[in-house]
Amino acid sequence: NAGVTQTPKFRVLKTGQSMTLLCAQDMNHEYMYWYRQDPGMGLRLIHYSVGEGTTAKGEVPDGYNVSRLKKQNFLLGLESAAPSQTSVYFCASSYPGLVEQYFGPGTRLTVT
Amino acid sequence: EDKVVQSPLSLVVHEGDTVTLNCSYEVTNFRSLLWYKQEKKAPTFLFMLTSSGIEKKSGRLSSILDKKELSSILNITATQTGDSAIYLCAPNIYGQNFVFGPGTRLSVLP
Repeated sequence: NAGVTQTPKFRVLKTGQSMTLLCAQDMNHEYMYWYRQDPGMGLRLIHYSVGEGTTAKGEVPDGYNVSRLKKQNFLLGLESAAPSQTSVYFCASSYPGLVEQYFGPGTRLTVT
Repeated sequence: EDKVVQSPLSLVVHEGDTVTLNCSYEVTNFRSLLWYKQEKKAPTFLFMLTSSGIEKKSGRLSSILDKKELSSILNITATQTGDSAIYLCAPNIYGQNFVFGPGTRLSVLP
């Protein structure tokens, strides 16, 4: 099992450009999440999904969109990147219930 | 507003020392508290705590939850350089959502 994978690992964007980050999991997890991690601020939830075809906003959703067309994939889109979106992005997945989340390796995004 | 505080934010010790990391929280709809270790990349799961006063142990690491004090501690005994990492605590607030603290950066010197 690959677990949770993220594509790409690194990306540099210019302000105003768009991009999509892909998260894939092979554990048949129902729930998937996108977080961003900034120095000194821990992980903050951007969007999450409790099942195929459903998405919901987290703590910091502005400037991002998501889609969950297939159970194993969760896409995070930036329509018009801003320097404030420079961060490390982590995807995670889990089963329902009192269980842990499994994290992907992260994507380091720099917006200039 | 949900809030998680971890202390200290940074800690430097020598191999063999014992450390205690603290996590305090003010969250709605508390269900459980998780501890993660983050080295260079993805956080990896350490413990899930749901009941007060019951210690969870894994090797040299142990953790306990105090629901009355809204806090948890993570202890590491006989630290090793491989314990160097950021330690994150994350209360589960509702459904499957978590609020992560800022983390404690532990550096263990040889």
